[in-house]
Amino acid sequence: EIVLTQSPASLSLSPGERATLSCRASQSVNSYLAWYQQKPGQAPRLLIYDASKRATGIPPRFSGSGSGTDFTLTISSLQPEDFAVYFCQQRSNWPPYTFGQGTNLEIK
Amino acid sequence: EVQMVESGGGLGQPGGSLRLSCAASGFSISGYVMSWVRQAPGKGPEWVSGISASGGTAHYADSVKGRFTISRDNSKNALYLQMNSLRAEDTAVYYCAKEGQWFGTDWFDPWGQGTLVIVSS
Repeated sequence: EIVLTQSPASLSLSPGERATLSCRASQSVNSYLAWYQQKPGQAPRLLIYDASKRATGIPPRFSGSGSGTDFTLTISSLQPEDFAVYFCQQRSNWPPYTFGQGTNLEIK
Repeated sequence: EVQMVESGGGLGQPGGSLRLSCAASGFSISGYVMSWVRQAPGKGPEWVSGISASGGTAHYADSVKGRFTISRDNSKNALYLQMNSLRAEDTAVYYCAKEGQWFGTDWFDPWGQGTLVIVSS
């Protein structure tokens, strides 16, 4: 089973700042990695898929990069609605599909 | 609008059973793999089970294998999860999610709003 480790667990930033979130896989997942955003009381929403492609309706301030074992989600200029929990997920080696434990992006 | 609505959650006894349902609208589930994903309080999501578009193939996480059974009724545009031999560690919000046409070829998009399962005596 592939383990995904996200860092940091929590990140406090101000609106307008740049956010950089990391996801590391225990073995290569090629580019089969996605990022999801989850707000309180809501289901996760697909943000980035195949490591770097934005899902439908996702603004260009969200970008993904990486391949193999190291991946990054970058939010170029934080908007108030971006403060949420972010999860990564792999589908390279399944079953099972696996998720990271999340990064909680908080307002400073 | 593509939408999925889960139901059937609630309080279950340890060793007991619950059956979750997921009603889809805005698309036909018959063309897609469908999955259940759960999320314990304060934790990351955990994939539980997936079923092929035809219903002929199912996969399970080791944590639920032999206790949970996934099924679907394409004529009703519905997905189900029969949960038996419930354990405290099954406590979570359970989401249904749409995948691609075949296992491992697409991402979970969209997800339902979830139904809460609490296992406690």
